[in-house]
Amino acid sequence: GAVVSQHPSRVICKSGTSVKIECRSLDFQATTMFWYRQFPKQSLMLMATSNEGSKATYEQGVEKDKFLINHASLTLSTLTVTSAHPEDSSFYICSASWKRGAGQFFGPGTRLTVL
Amino acid sequence: AQTVTQSQPEMSVQEAETVTLSCTYDTSESDYYLFWYKQPPSRQMILVIRQEAYKQQNATENRFSVNFQKAAKSFSLKISDSQLGDAAMYFCAYRSADWGGSEKLVFGKGTKLTVNP
Repeated sequence: GAVVSQHPSRVICKSGTSVKIECRSLDFQATTMFWYRQFPKQSLMLMATSNEGSKATYEQGVEKDKFLINHASLTLSTLTVTSAHPEDSSFYICSASWKRGAGQFFGPGTRLTVL
Repeated sequence: AQTVTQSQPEMSVQEAETVTLSCTYDTSESDYYLFWYKQPPSRQMILVIRQEAYKQQNATENRFSVNFQKAAKSFSLKISDSQLGDAAMYFCAYRSADWGGSEKLVFGKGTKLTVNP
């Protein structure tokens, strides 16, 4: 149980385009989903927290207009990187939690490359 | 704010031996959760073990066990009978258990574990 999927696993796009990444909880309803960014050989950096049906809470320094998060249902959250630039290239990971204290279950990640 | 410190950037162990990864944390909260996550080369984050701060008994999951010292704010991970598949980055993480508190995980910087055959 507690499986989280992410799609796509890899994406390459041109500078200036927008990219959408989907995160789905496959066998549970996720009350809260989280989006992380991970640079090579570094720890995970939390970008934002989203609860179903409400606006995401962004961490300090994360541009909410650039990284649009939508948590439309209890099983789906999306991250849209708008007007992507090469510096947005990174590994993006989502996680989901269904109750407090249960821990977070992570998706397999999406590698974004912006040319 | 809570912080998590992993003082060992890299560790190595011989196959079948035991290794302990260190983690310390700083918090003013009395109730919280601690986690160890494993990130193999596939980069999939896997929950290894979880500890509730109000439980004095150390958590165990097969070959993985923790030494939780609440007063010392220490949460080390012991891997027994190490296997090649244990090679990965290991992240220690903290989460508040307070109702109304943040559900965010605070991660340490990670320890890269190499298992030598």
